[in-house]
Amino acid sequence: DAGVTQSPTHLIKTRGQHVTLRCSPISGHKSVSWYQQVLGQGPQFIFQYYEKEERGRGNFPDRFSARQFPNYSSELNVNALLLGDSALYLCASSPGPFYGYTFGSGTRLTVV
Amino acid sequence: KNEVEQSPQNLTAQEGEFITINCSYSVGISALHWLQQHPGGGIVSLFMLSSGKKKHGRLIATINIQEKHSSLHITASHPRDSAVYICAASSSGAGSYQLTFGKGTKLSVIP
Repeated sequence: DAGVTQSPTHLIKTRGQHVTLRCSPISGHKSVSWYQQVLGQGPQFIFQYYEKEERGRGNFPDRFSARQFPNYSSELNVNALLLGDSALYLCASSPGPFYGYTFGSGTRLTVV
Repeated sequence: KNEVEQSPQNLTAQEGEFITINCSYSVGISALHWLQQHPGGGIVSLFMLSSGKKKHGRLIATINIQEKHSSLHITASHPRDSAVYICAASSSGAGSYQLTFGKGTKLSVIP
C-alpha cells in the first residue's frame, strides 16, 4: 500500500508568486494535516482537514489556504510568496483526529 | 514560550549507551507523539501514547499525564539511531484538532 505522497518534491518560486502543494493520503485515511518546517526548527501546524472540513488552523496568515477533496487528497495554497515562506512543507494523514499520523516526505519550497 | 519543550537540544552518545530524551508540555492533550526525522526530512511516527508506557524494540516511551511529561528511551544505542527526535502534542478543543511540536533533539551516536 502506498504511503502518503506529496508533490512536487522540490520547488523554486519567486517572491510574489503563488504555489500549490499536493498531498495524497494513505487509502482509507480521512484526515490530512499540513505543517511548515523551517530549517533547524520543529514543524509548525498549518491546517488539519477531516472529512473535507477544516478542523484546525495554526497561526498563519490568510495567504495560506487549503482544501480537501472528495477522495481525501488535499492541496495547500500559498499566495504572494515571501522569502520567509521557504521551508519544508509536510503533509500527514491519519484515519481520524485521534489516531497516529503517517507523514509524507515533504515538499521543499525555496522562494528567491 | 513554546507549549512543548524538549531537552536536551543536542545529544551525543557512545554506541551502546542508554539514552533519554525528555518532553514537557503545557497544553491539555489527547495524545503525545514521538517522531523520528532523518536528514532529508522524512518523518517516521514512533509512538502515540495517552497514558503509561509503550515499547517497540529498543525504544520505550513513557508519559505522566499529571506531571505533563513524557520520555523517550533508547536502549543499547546504535549509530543508525542518529536522527532528530521530536515530540508533539495533539490537542482538541471545540472540535478543532492540531499538533504542537517541540523543537527536536538531535541525537548523534558515535561508534
